[in-house]
Amino acid sequence: DGGITQSPKYLFRKEGQNVTLSCEQNLNHDAMYWYRQDPGQGLRLIYYSQIVNDFQKGDIAEGYSVSREKKESFPLTVTSAQKNPTAFYLCASRGNEKLFFGSGTQLSVL
Amino acid sequence: QKEVEQNSGPLSVPEGAIASLNCTYSDRGSQSFFWYRQYSGKSPELIMFIYSNGDKEDGRFTAQLNKASQYVSLLIRDSQPSDSATYLCAVGAPYNTDKLIFGTGTRLQVFP
Repeated sequence: DGGITQSPKYLFRKEGQNVTLSCEQNLNHDAMYWYRQDPGQGLRLIYYSQIVNDFQKGDIAEGYSVSREKKESFPLTVTSAQKNPTAFYLCASRGNEKLFFGSGTQLSVL
Repeated sequence: QKEVEQNSGPLSVPEGAIASLNCTYSDRGSQSFFWYRQYSGKSPELIMFIYSNGDKEDGRFTAQLNKASQYVSLLIRDSQPSDSATYLCAVGAPYNTDKLIFGTGTRLQVFP
């Protein structure tokens, strides 16, 4: 099946720890995105990548890092510098001007 | 002023009625407009997109765009309890078509 796979579904972070969220797509899309959603809020853009080996900061990039070594993969690392990481994280890819989302990762702080 | 604004709701309508969801945007240069449906705890799902002024219909859904007034709306005819969800409006950033700007969403409740 074509789609976007995010893992894990739930993730817990200890204070001072870096954690990495996985995002893989087999839609052959060039552009990929990471959004953060807080309860009752809209989606805020963290990072996006239009092509392999290139990415741009979104509106709330501080405390996060990404890589784009393969077209299919766009992992997001939540670093210890992100002081309020608890949120629902959504990965997306873009094709024909439309954005398609993975199933999301809920990150919580222990 | 927020770039994309939506009333947070909840908007409550009876089953079988028409639900009308509205969205305004601030930048006249925006060219693409999307409606996503999001059930609680799930990811957003694209249900409609529109690029030109006027109406676009798909089944029970109609998207309406008025660029002069800078609003886009979503009509849901014959509303069903399964339509109860949060509806997110997204607008393409005017000078960077790779970016979408999302509103905070309107929660729709359809009661039997």
